[in-house]
Amino acid sequence: AQSVTQLDSHVSVSEGTPVLLRCNYSSSYSPSLFWYVQHPNKGLQLLLKYTSAATLVKGINGFEAEFKKSETSFHLTKPSAHMSDAAEYFCVVSANTGTASKLTFGTGTRLQVTL
Amino acid sequence: GAVVSQHPSWVICKSGTSVKIECRSLDFQATTMFWYRQFPKQSLMLMATSNEGSKATYEQGVEKDKFLINHASLTLSTLTVTSAHPEDSSFYICSAREPGQSNQPQHFGDGTRLSIL
Repeated sequence: AQSVTQLDSHVSVSEGTPVLLRCNYSSSYSPSLFWYVQHPNKGLQLLLKYTSAATLVKGINGFEAEFKKSETSFHLTKPSAHMSDAAEYFCVVSANTGTASKLTFGTGTRLQVTL
Repeated sequence: GAVVSQHPSWVICKSGTSVKIECRSLDFQATTMFWYRQFPKQSLMLMATSNEGSKATYEQGVEKDKFLINHASLTLSTLTVTSAHPEDSSFYICSAREPGQSNQPQHFGDGTRLSIL
């Protein structure tokens, strides 16, 4: 079994300040972890992925995340928020159990960026 | 990178109509595709796993006779909402994973907004 908990449903930051979106996971298998972003009425775009290589993962648009097994966390960070970062962010876990491995989604964090 | 195209992006139709949504992998072959449903301000819920050349695997609580899935080729899966009613109104999203890449991310379409009047 696997699950994902996104600790904040809504985060608001000022433009130019750091972003932290928190995610904790549980998995019976060695997991793969992903962060996706969704803009209104759009599908999901992959920001970054962890698949058992380096624990600090760099993604697109300046985002990065660190896999911490001892804390079962995979928090998403960005040093300086931009207005275009305002969107819904999903932390996702996948158990590596074959080609049809299912994804388990967190409930999402809405990021608001203010001037 | 891998691209998944979903069509149509928006559908409005009368109650009782059947609606077909297409999901295509444009630059890779996908033996497995996934269909999700998303309610407003909520996360994605997996409806079914679409397998090329065989029957789809439905999640618990999803009516297979209501949501017909066909995966006739390695690049196309379709979801047909049969006899749609207002409660079927939702945002439907498909995804696909490149073959042999079980630990790699799924690539998502842009979704279909279905509104049943």
